[in-house]
Amino acid sequence: AQSVAQPEDQVNVAEGNPLTVKCTYSVSGNPYLFWYVQYPNRGLQFLLKYITGDNLVKGSYGFEAEFNKSQTSFHLKKPSALVSDSALYFCAVRDMRVMFSGGYNKLIFGAGTRLAVHP
Amino acid sequence: DTEVTQTPKHLVMGMTNKKSLKCEQHMGHRAMYWYKQKAKKPPELMFVYSYEKLSINESVPSRFSPECPNSSLLNLHLHALQPEDSALYLCASSQGRGQKGNTIYFGEGSWLTVV
Repeated sequence: AQSVAQPEDQVNVAEGNPLTVKCTYSVSGNPYLFWYVQYPNRGLQFLLKYITGDNLVKGSYGFEAEFNKSQTSFHLKKPSALVSDSALYFCAVRDMRVMFSGGYNKLIFGAGTRLAVHP
Repeated sequence: DTEVTQTPKHLVMGMTNKKSLKCEQHMGHRAMYWYKQKAKKPPELMFVYSYEKLSINESVPSRFSPECPNSSLLNLHLHALQPEDSALYLCASSQGRGQKGNTIYFGEGSWLTVV
């Protein structure tokens, strides 16, 4: 079965410190992986994705993520956290049962991780 | 520009009302989506239109009725809803065939309260 796990409900970080939000996945074949952020009372914003190529993916707002095939992980990282990074973060993987020829994507989301950055 | 526009931002409706949520994108995307999201939970897929044809209906109750008048517009018609249908409804779009990864871009959502 395909799935995404975000093992931490909440991550607490002091401003200026590095942050990591963890994500592991289970799919057959090569995964397409995504990170989204949701600020309070807002929609989801796309941060970055891994399709193929370099295992380190850079995205918006200084975030990056490292794809690790052997550990089936795609952890989100930032070298120096800001208070404004406090939000809900979702990891997602493309449902590989959906045909590419269909012209659409279907995402399997993790449960989400709340990031709290303290001044 | 990755903008998906949803109206209204807030909607309060009674259980006997008929209302609609509207969504628009001008990015030339050919796939459009409706999701439902409860507080602090991941979004749940409801419907997908691809090239203006309904491609996925995730066993959504018939009191929700989607409509895709053209490739830029997506509506969600609401009728005889229940209080448990109160949620954030997110519209989204993606490019369609040919884009690797087919990133889904979300709107800001419509907050629906059923009283």
